[in-house]
Amino acid sequence: QKEVEQNSGPLSVPEGAIASLNCTYSDRGSQSFFWYRQYSGKSPELIMSIYSNGDKEDGRFTAQLNKASQYVSLLIRDSQPSDSATYLCAVNFNQAGTALIFGKGTTLSVSS
Amino acid sequence: DAGVIQSPRHEVTEMGQEVTLRCKPISGHDYLFWYRQTMMRGLELLIYFNNNVPIDDSGMPEDRFSAKMPNASFSTLKIQPSEPRDSAVYFCASNLRGGNSPLHFGNGTRLTVT
Repeated sequence: QKEVEQNSGPLSVPEGAIASLNCTYSDRGSQSFFWYRQYSGKSPELIMSIYSNGDKEDGRFTAQLNKASQYVSLLIRDSQPSDSATYLCAVNFNQAGTALIFGKGTTLSVSS
Repeated sequence: DAGVIQSPRHEVTEMGQEVTLRCKPISGHDYLFWYRQTMMRGLELLIYFNNNVPIDDSGMPEDRFSAKMPNASFSTLKIQPSEPRDSAVYFCASNLRGGNSPLHFGNGTRLTVT
């Protein structure tokens, strides 16, 4: 069974703080991992992709992957009210050619 | 460069009616995916195509749902007959080379079945 688990939240942080979003997945052989942001009433948009163990940084965002623990996280530094959205974790459970499976998402609320 | 285009944006229909959702993927993309999103179940994969061929339709909830991709630039998702529990936002997405590549989503179709 292919499963991607996220805490639904809401996760509330003050402006300027670090927001930490977590995701676990069921298949140790998974290859590709993505974080999407979805504003209310809009479609998901890609924030980060990560394929290897360790950290990957892009501006205020850092994705962290630990394949042994089947765990991927997203850190948002200096959180802004505009970061308030639902964050979806997505996993490709096999080699290229199969679809992404999404978690249900974590709702982040950043207060000013 | 045009993104994934879905139509209609909103669809309101009565139970028992046929509903057809349409999608035009990004030109050159060889994979097309249909997802459904509800508050309870999140974003669920329904079916996906590679080079116009259906690869996995195990997510299609029941026989009332069908999807086609007659050519590289067009796909449809049909529900016949529709039921209130089909109410959801339906997203089409495309990418190049499948699971290792990011998905590009359309704006979605919000379906309401009364």
